[in-house]
Amino acid sequence: AQTVTQSQPEMSVQEAETVTLSCTYDTSESNYYLFWYKQPPSRQMILVIRQEAYKQQNATENRFSVNFQKAAKSFSLKISDSQLGDTAMYFCAFFGGTSGSRLTFGEGTQLTVNP
Amino acid sequence: NAGVTQTPKFRILKIGQSMTLQCTQDMNHNYMYWYRQDPGMGLKLIYYSVGAGITDKGEVPNGYNVSRSTTEDFPLRLELAAPSQTSVYFCASSTQGRDEKLFFGSGTQLSVL
Repeated sequence: AQTVTQSQPEMSVQEAETVTLSCTYDTSESNYYLFWYKQPPSRQMILVIRQEAYKQQNATENRFSVNFQKAAKSFSLKISDSQLGDTAMYFCAFFGGTSGSRLTFGEGTQLTVNP
Repeated sequence: NAGVTQTPKFRILKIGQSMTLQCTQDMNHNYMYWYRQDPGMGLKLIYYSVGAGITDKGEVPNGYNVSRSTTEDFPLRLELAAPSQTSVYFCASSTQGRDEKLFFGSGTQLSVL
């Protein structure tokens, strides 16, 4: 079974600065997808960014980018120019291979952006 | 543009009571999921369905049942509620294509006292 590990339960960053959230995963599969989801206090789950394992180029969405290291099974999220609205719980998730038809989530990292 | 709709948003149950969490989607998605999220934790899969009439267990299915009689609806049944089932429940759906993106409902906060 796939596992997803987020080793940072909590992080904080000053507004306008850059922060990186870590995620590692374990799989024997070669083709899969990785995601970062954001959950603000409203509780809504919001897709932040998505990476396909067969693509070497790191995904980017505006201020959000990933550092995907397939050999190391690492998938970190970088948030540039942090904004107060980025305060949320962030979940790393894995999809594919023997996990069949569903996402496997990490335990989450609570990010607080301070003014 | 409703997406995934869950009802109710909040519910308090007494130990031993039963209830059904409703989930419906209007995107004609084949795949539907039920997750639970305990305080400060990630989401754990309870049950999922790959189409009408087909369901399968996830990581934490004990104490729950599901059915999928239509593409749109995927209700989650709690029988004999226990305090360990206090959690936030999320329903989600997806097309299960290459662009695998889950659409989540807004969640149901359930407390069993």
